[in-house]
Amino acid sequence: DAGVTQSPTHLIKTRGQHVTLRCSPISGHKSVSWYQQVLGQGPQFIFQYYEKEERGRGNFPDRFSARQFPNYSSELNVNALLLGDSALYLCASSLLGGSGNTIYFGEGSWLTVV
Amino acid sequence: AQKITQTQPGMFVQEKEAVTLDCTYDTSDQSYGLFWYKQPSSGEMIFLIYQGSYDEQNATEGRYSLNFQKARKSANLVISASQLGDSAMYFCAMREAQAAGNKLTFGGGTRVLVKP
Repeated sequence: DAGVTQSPTHLIKTRGQHVTLRCSPISGHKSVSWYQQVLGQGPQFIFQYYEKEERGRGNFPDRFSARQFPNYSSELNVNALLLGDSALYLCASSLLGGSGNTIYFGEGSWLTVV
Repeated sequence: AQKITQTQPGMFVQEKEAVTLDCTYDTSDQSYGLFWYKQPSSGEMIFLIYQGSYDEQNATEGRYSLNFQKARKSANLVISASQLGDSAMYFCAMREAQAAGNKLTFGGGTRVLVKP
C-alpha cells in the first residue's frame, strides 16, 4: 500500500513568488496535516484538514493557506515567499481527525527560497 | 515552558547495544498521546511507536519500546540491539486532547549515530 505521497520533492523559488505543495494521504485516511521543519528544529504544526474542513491552525501568517479536496488530497499554498520560508514541509495523514489515531508522514517537500 | 523536552542533542551508540533516548513532556490534559518518530537524512518522518496516556502497559514495537512513567511525565524510547541503519534523528511528539485538530508538538530531537 502506498504511504503518504508528496510533490514536488525539491524546489527552489525566488523571494516574493508563490508555491503550491501537494499531498496524497494514505488510502482511506481522511485527515491531512501540514508541518514546517526548519533546519535543526522539530516540525511545527501549520494546518489540519478533516473531511475538507480546517480543524486546526498553527501560528503561521495568512500567507500560508491550504485546502483539502473531495478525494482527501491536500494542497499547501504559500504566497509572497520569504527567505525564512526555506524548510522541509511535511504532510501527515491519519484515519480520523481526533485523538487515538496514529499519524503517518510523507517524505516531505524541500523548499529553498533564494 | 517547553511542552516536549529532549535533553540529548546527540549521542553515539555501539552497534548491537541498547540505547535510551530521553523525552519529558508537559501537559495539563488527562488524555494525550505520545509518539516517537525517526527521521533519516532523506527527511521522511518514520513512525516508530505510540503510547496513550491511559495505556497501562508500556508500548513495544519490535526493537522499540517506550518506557512510560506518567507521574514523572517521561516517555523514553529504548532501541535494543542497535543497527547501523538506526543512525538518524529521533523526535518525541505529543498530541493533547485539547489541542486543535490532530496537532503534534515535537521536541528538538536527538541525533543518534551507531558505530560499527
